[in-house]
Amino acid sequence: DGGITQSPKYLFRKEGQNVTLSCEQNLNHDAMYWYRQDPGQGLRLIYYSQIVNDFQKGDIAEGYSVSREKKESFPLTVTSAQKNPTAFYLCASTPDRSHGYTFGSGTRLTVV
Amino acid sequence: GENVEQHPSTLSVQEGDSAVIKCTYSDSASNYFPWYKQELGKRPQLIIDIRSNVGEKKDQRIAVTLNKTAKHFSLHITETQPEDSAVYFCAATGNQFYFGTGTSLTVIP
Repeated sequence: DGGITQSPKYLFRKEGQNVTLSCEQNLNHDAMYWYRQDPGQGLRLIYYSQIVNDFQKGDIAEGYSVSREKKESFPLTVTSAQKNPTAFYLCASTPDRSHGYTFGSGTRLTVV
Repeated sequence: GENVEQHPSTLSVQEGDSAVIKCTYSDSASNYFPWYKQELGKRPQLIIDIRSNVGEKKDQRIAVTLNKTAKHFSLHITETQPEDSAVYFCAATGNQFYFGTGTSLTVIP
């Protein structure tokens, strides 16, 4: 998947349940990002990390949490506090802001 | 922070015609402007980019122009083909990438 792998591809969450989406990259990129995409909509930034052990909230961080314990990994947890989590989630990485993102293939999360 | 506006939101062209998508940005410090193509259900993929020290860049049927003074940049697709049908996103870099809201392009055979 072009060096950045998201899993699973499809995920179903029950009401009140926390779920974690995986994002792994072998591109040696410092910066990693999580975006949410709703049908017919653009990309909204959830969280981003520019270096290991550091991350910042994006525009819609409420109900989500992340960690960056390793350079290669940036998992996203969708908590029960996120009331409308059904969406397509995209992880991306870049070596720096003067280069484009490489996106993962996405995880489609559905609440059942 | 940066604010990126993208127009139009939808665009339909006849096969063989040209398509133009325009974006404006607000932060004069932005210096890198990529364009992404997203096919239905798939991830966005970088198709072309331009840096602030360049006014125009071409790659086969795709070109991007940048006007730093006016703070706008445009994507031009010539001789459109049905496989060009997708959603296109522009972006500008400040402290992070700021994306436009996307343009759904349909090329009619």
